[in-house]
Amino acid sequence: EPEVTQTPSHQVTQMGQEVILRCVPISNHLYFYWYRQILGQKVEFLVSFYNNEISEKSEIFDDQFSVERPDGSNFTLKIRSTKLEDSAMYFCASSAVRGTNEQFFGPGTRLTVL
Amino acid sequence: AQSVTQLGSHVSVSEGALVLLRCNYSSSVPPYLFWYVQYPNQGLQLLLKYTTGATLVKGINGFEAEFKKSETSFHLTKPSAHMSDAAEYFCAVSRTGGGNKLTFGTGTQLKVEL
Repeated sequence: EPEVTQTPSHQVTQMGQEVILRCVPISNHLYFYWYRQILGQKVEFLVSFYNNEISEKSEIFDDQFSVERPDGSNFTLKIRSTKLEDSAMYFCASSAVRGTNEQFFGPGTRLTVL
Repeated sequence: AQSVTQLGSHVSVSEGALVLLRCNYSSSVPPYLFWYVQYPNQGLQLLLKYTTGATLVKGINGFEAEFKKSETSFHLTKPSAHMSDAAEYFCAVSRTGGGNKLTFGTGTQLKVEL
């Protein structure tokens, strides 16, 4: 069964450093998303991406965040200068173009900013 | 704007007992509604979804939910709990159509006791 994969599973970084979180969406999906979940809190939408551009972003997704689909399979989230409050689980998801907006989630990357 | 309220951050049931997890939503447009389950250290897995048509929807693992527009509710039920149902459950809402962000509730941790 096709699935969304994410690497790394856990990333530890120093405050102010740049991090890139990687995702491989399901191959025939064309909508891609990033969500995050701060420990003990709910899952929050960050950004959606379609046809090589951002289709929607939340107010959390400020200038320090960026997304990219560098090739036909990967979808990345870059945090330019990490802050302590960026520590969270980051989930990538993808969905088909047509249909019911059913989003398939990856296992997540736990980001720890020290 | 859309929002989801999940009553009860922790629910405990006995094995074999009815499971009822509550979800109320707020949406100015007709919604799509979803229930996701998260097992420890895993990503989010779709249990079931309501898009259009029949208001009682069946999902995986014996779960079902009923969309009640008049009550703006989408409660999740299972007639008989199993130990393997212990997990965190998230209700989510989106606009209709593909590519739309999911707005999640705060989650309900289900504990199943012998």
